[in-house]
Amino acid sequence: GAGVSQSPSNKVTEKGKDVELRCDPISGHTALYWYRQSLGQGLEFLIYFQGNSAPDKSGLPSDRFSAERTGGSVSTLTIQRTQQEDSAVYLCASSRWAESTDTQYFGPGTRLTVL
Amino acid sequence: AQKVTQAQTEISVVEKEDVTLDCVYETRDTTYYLFWYKQPPSGELVFLIRRNSFDEQNEISGRYSWNFQKSTSSFNFTITASQVVDSAVYFCALSAASQGGSEKLVFGKGTKLTVNP
Repeated sequence: GAGVSQSPSNKVTEKGKDVELRCDPISGHTALYWYRQSLGQGLEFLIYFQGNSAPDKSGLPSDRFSAERTGGSVSTLTIQRTQQEDSAVYLCASSRWAESTDTQYFGPGTRLTVL
Repeated sequence: AQKVTQAQTEISVVEKEDVTLDCVYETRDTTYYLFWYKQPPSGELVFLIRRNSFDEQNEISGRYSWNFQKSTSSFNFTITASQVVDSAVYFCALSAASQGGSEKLVFGKGTKLTVNP
């Protein structure tokens, strides 16, 4: 069971390439969040999903970043034309619902290194 | 805007000492939630506690205790009789209802706790 899973655990890519990061939330959790953890910026919110819709994308740093969620479950975060400043650990979290604040449970993260 | 401040960047103690990690928050919302997470060297964020703004009762869980004081906007975390396994980075976080329906977490910068044998 079932905790939040993320893949890959590590990703090394070259500047300019596109990458896709995957998140499998806890079964039955309707809310899903992406965060980024970097040395300089700490833990930052990126995007929030309620079901398959994303009512809050305010944390996405540029239009190179996008995310989708299908079937109210798996989510993919895509970074196009990666830059070195995109190097960070990307964390996914899920919670049972979002109408009232429920505890967010985090996955192990994907460590992205852009060379 | 929401803000969380963890003024202690790093703390080092000797095993069995008590240690308190400070957390000060800012929000204009009357309804909000406060959290503590632990991030051990393995990297995964582990949930420790969640409190809502209407419940100022202190909480104790084993060696862990939390002191929530709205008057000073603080939510401090104390580890009693610390152990080497407590070594980790600890994050305080805030979630407020006014964030456009998004219950996103706003994190402090974290406090790195090292417990030496």
